[in-house]
Amino acid sequence: ESVLTQSPGTLSLSPGERATLSCRASQSVSSYLAWYQQKPGQAPRLLIYDASSRATGIPDRFSGSGSGTDFTLTISRLEPADFAVYYCQQYGSSPRTFGQGTKVEIK
Amino acid sequence: QVQLVQSGAEVKKPGASVKVSCKASGYFFTSYAMNWVRQAPGQSLEWMGWINVDNGNTKYSQKFQGRVTFTRDTFANTAYMELSSLRSEDTAVYYCARPESGSYFNHWGQGTLVTVSS
Repeated sequence: ESVLTQSPGTLSLSPGERATLSCRASQSVSSYLAWYQQKPGQAPRLLIYDASSRATGIPDRFSGSGSGTDFTLTISRLEPADFAVYYCQQYGSSPRTFGQGTKVEIK
Repeated sequence: QVQLVQSGAEVKKPGASVKVSCKASGYFFTSYAMNWVRQAPGQSLEWMGWINVDNGNTKYSQKFQGRVTFTRDTFANTAYMELSSLRSEDTAVYYCARPESGSYFNHWGQGTLVTVSS
């Protein structure tokens, strides 16, 4: 099973700042990595798939990079709606697994 | 547009079973697999497996093998997840989730809270 470790656990930033979230896999998942945003009481929302492709309707301030075992989600300028929990998910091997999440909170 | 509408919250006693439904609309139901993902309170997401809606073939995460069953009704455009021998650790929100391609999830149901308590 590929274990995904996200860091940091919590990121405290102000609107307008840049957010950099990390996801590390215990074994290579090639580029089979997705990122989701989740707000309280809501289902997750797909942001990025195949490590760097934005899902439909996702603003270009969200970008993903990486391959193999190290991945990054960058939010270039935080907007109030971006404060949420972010999860990475790998689909390079079965079972599909998720990271434990990074909470982006308002500083 | 694609919509996945799940059944309502359930409260079950330990040892019981629960069956959650996921009604799909806005697309051709048998063209896409359906996955199930759960989230315990305050925890991350956990993939349970998927069903090939066209032929009924299933793939279960080993963690749930023997306790979970995925089925579908192609006439009702509905997928089902049944979990048996419930224990308190199964208290979670259960989601159906559909990919566009690959195994990442573009579309999600609203979630169904299952509470297991004596």
